[in-house]
Amino acid sequence: ELKVEQNPLFLSMQEGKNYTIYCNYSTTSDRLYWYRQDPGKSLESLFVLLSNGAVKQEGRLMASLDTKARLSTLHITAAVHDLSATYFCAVDTTTSGTYKYIFGTGTRLKVLA
Amino acid sequence: DSGVTQTPKHLITATGQRVTLRCSPRSGDLSVYWYQQSLDQGLQFLIQYYNGEERAKGNILERFSAQQFPDLHSELNLSSLELGDSALYFCASSVVGTYYNEQFFGPGTRLTVL
Repeated sequence: ELKVEQNPLFLSMQEGKNYTIYCNYSTTSDRLYWYRQDPGKSLESLFVLLSNGAVKQEGRLMASLDTKARLSTLHITAAVHDLSATYFCAVDTTTSGTYKYIFGTGTRLKVLA
Repeated sequence: DSGVTQTPKHLITATGQRVTLRCSPRSGDLSVYWYQQSLDQGLQFLIQYYNGEERAKGNILERFSAQQFPDLHSELNLSSLELGDSALYFCASSVVGTYYNEQFFGPGTRLTVL
């Protein structure tokens, strides 16, 4: 069964600090997606990572993918309050002809001023 | 704005009732996905349609059904509603045929079952 686990589940950090969110998945896949969800709002696509070693950056967020370790990281540099949100990773794969798109549990990030 | 629309925004109903949620995908997207988000279950994939046909099924209850129409809009029907069905229901769409599947989410429908 495809499982996608994120840690930490909750993260409270001071503005200006750096931190990393981890996403582990249990099956072979070279496609990993990161989404952001503001409280009470919908999900917004942040990054699509398509190969081993892929790295993408947007502002203070940088995502990377290690398909051999089945691990993706979302690194936050010099956090600001506007980054407070819940971050989800997701993996898709086809196994025995069945397509699955599974989201992680989400990491709720709160950046304190 | 993702380009995906959902109606209604909010829905309040009673146990045992039936409701229909509607979704219009982004222009050009053939695939539609339905998700349920509740506090205790996280984001759960329910079902996917591609160009009118069911393509993948997740944790969708038998009381729930969906369809995608020729104009590509989709409806999610929830029947014999229970208190536990109260949740945010999201629709997402994507272009299928590329190597990857980046999904674009609608604003959601918040369902409250009393």
